[in-house]
Amino acid sequence: DTAVSQTPKYLVTQMGNDKSIKCEQNLGHDTMYWYKQDSKKFLKIMFSYNNKELIINETVPNRFSPKSPDKAHLNLHINSLELGDSAVYFCASSQEFGVFSTANYGYTFGSGTRLTVV
Amino acid sequence: RKEVEQDPGPFNVPEGATVAFNCTYSNSASQSFFWYRQDCRKEPKLLMSVYSSGNEDGRFTAQLNRASQYISLLIRDSKLSDSATYLCVVTFSGGYNKLIFGAGTRLAVHP
Repeated sequence: DTAVSQTPKYLVTQMGNDKSIKCEQNLGHDTMYWYKQDSKKFLKIMFSYNNKELIINETVPNRFSPKSPDKAHLNLHINSLELGDSAVYFCASSQEFGVFSTANYGYTFGSGTRLTVV
Repeated sequence: RKEVEQDPGPFNVPEGATVAFNCTYSNSASQSFFWYRQDCRKEPKLLMSVYSSGNEDGRFTAQLNRASQYISLLIRDSKLSDSATYLCVVTFSGGYNKLIFGAGTRLAVHP
């Protein structure tokens, strides 16, 4: 059973289109995230939701809109796609929320969605 | 200055070698530290947490120096299967659970 699953795995689309990526976790975690990994392999957080509530919203163009219908799902909708949006988008989830110290925990990542805008 | 800096490598080492990766972080209030591993075209996976007292997991040893804001990972007796990118990760201390990733250090172990 896949813990964090994303669809689609690959997405090739033209500039100007609107597309969505879906994410679901069956770990019972309260917090979910979207990360973007660009061509330089740098992983950067975009959004975080805790129990359907948006808690982290980094400096991301407002063409990107996350939606969390329930705590097991976090979708990402992207309007008016641009060439620079080409990247791998990873969904992740974690149980912990808030300030923590040295708990040995981690995020569980989905396998990624490779978005190519042409 | 990047929040988390790593030497991108690649580190090319023979099987059986010992290899060490270093990482520095800029936010002195960072609270938790991790090493993640990412295989080519795969998702990152937690390798180990890094504790102030240092910790070991089999062939892997992680160290933290808070005064110098420096984290290290030592891999002993390298295996071909250790070939991957190793990501240094620190937490953002602003009250929410947010991991900040370094760009990663690539390791290639050859026969």
